[in-house]
Amino acid sequence: RKEVEQDPGPFNVPEGATVAFNCTYSNSASQSFFWYRQDCRKEPKLLMSVYSSGNEDGRFTAQLNRASQYISLLIRDSKLSDSATYLCVVNMLTGGSYIPTFGRGTSLIVHP
Amino acid sequence: GAGVSQSPSNKVTEKGKDVELRCDPISGHTALYWYRQRLGQGLEFLIYFQGNSAPDKSGLPSDRFSAERTGESVSTLTIQRTQQEDSAVYLCASSLISGASEQYFGPGTRLTVT
Repeated sequence: RKEVEQDPGPFNVPEGATVAFNCTYSNSASQSFFWYRQDCRKEPKLLMSVYSSGNEDGRFTAQLNRASQYISLLIRDSKLSDSATYLCVVNMLTGGSYIPTFGRGTSLIVHP
Repeated sequence: GAGVSQSPSNKVTEKGKDVELRCDPISGHTALYWYRQRLGQGLEFLIYFQGNSAPDKSGLPSDRFSAERTGESVSTLTIQRTQQEDSAVYLCASSLISGASEQYFGPGTRLTVT
């Protein structure tokens, strides 16, 4: 079983739609959580950190459920420029170190 | 300020040759990571450096892969006797501290083994 699992998609949505991505992780000894965005043939870039109380940044809302080992990302009012792959990242305790462990990503396509 | 830089941006090499990839992290970042990303795939952790501690090499796929880091600065990833399956983008990232802080990625080195 992969340590960080995401639905690969693609999610194909019209402009203005609301879309939600989920991510589950297997290691309860996980310290911090992030969503990254990766555009085609580019490096990943931090979208937002995920806090236990949930957090919002403009149109983006992230939630963490430690009991269920589950993270979510909600995008409201989707824009064409939101089209990208969204990577869930969990810093997991592995052999004494916290190693960022990436999901395979969820592809989002926003169409006019 | 300057971000993470990597060189070369592209490298084409013949099977069996050695290659060396370079990463310059953000100044002051104590943690440095190398990842491999094959076409259409996710990021695969290779190795992690934290300050002057021994590196975590648990992700290196074979003994043909090695990496060094000088203090808290430049890192090099070396692949010996390259194989076609080594073709991928090699990404370097740095973070202020390990464990809790976010990573900043370089643009990657696209390696093609012919």
